[in-house]
Amino acid sequence: RKEVEQDPGPFNVPEGATVAFNCTYSNSASQSFFWYRQDCRKEPKLLMSVYSSGNEDGRFTAQLNRASQYISLLIRDSKLSDSATYLCVVNIQGAQKLVFGQGTRLTINP
Amino acid sequence: NAGVMQNPRHLVRRRGQEARLRCSPMKGHSHVYWYRQLPEEGLKFMVYLQKENIIDESGMPKERFSAEFPKEGPSILRIQQVVRGDSAAYFCASSLYPSGGTYEQYFGPGTRLTVT
Repeated sequence: RKEVEQDPGPFNVPEGATVAFNCTYSNSASQSFFWYRQDCRKEPKLLMSVYSSGNEDGRFTAQLNRASQYISLLIRDSKLSDSATYLCVVNIQGAQKLVFGQGTRLTINP
Repeated sequence: NAGVMQNPRHLVRRRGQEARLRCSPMKGHSHVYWYRQLPEEGLKFMVYLQKENIIDESGMPKERFSAEFPKEGPSILRIQQVVRGDSAAYFCASSLYPSGGTYEQYFGPGTRLTVT
């Protein structure tokens, strides 16, 4: 079983739509959670950290459910520039490395 | 205020040759991480280094791969006797303190290795 699992997509949605990504992690010792964005052939960039209380940054909302070991990302009013691959990332307690999901590819269509 | 720098950006090697990938962390950062991304896959951790020390190499293949982060100069990821399966994007990241999920890891643009 993969440590971090995501639906690989691709997701194709029209501009202005709301899109939701889900992610599950297997290691209960996971302590920190993130969503990264990766554009084609570029490096991953931190989109937002994910907290148990949930957090919002503009059109982006992230949620964490520790009991279910489940993380989500919601993008409202999607823009063409949101087209990218979204990576669910966790950090295991006591380790310095980041564990990445395989990513979900999103294409926003005009 | 330069970010993480990696060179070369693209590297082509024939099977059996050596590949050397360089990473200069952000100014003031002394923690370096190497990740590999195979085509259509997520990034996989390889190794975590501090100056002159390898802290965690649990993701490094047992043979042909080595990494160093000397007191002076960039971190080097070295792949000996490359094979086609080594073709991938290799990303370096750095952080100010041990990351542990608290301090952001900043990624470089990556080196795309192609083995022919």
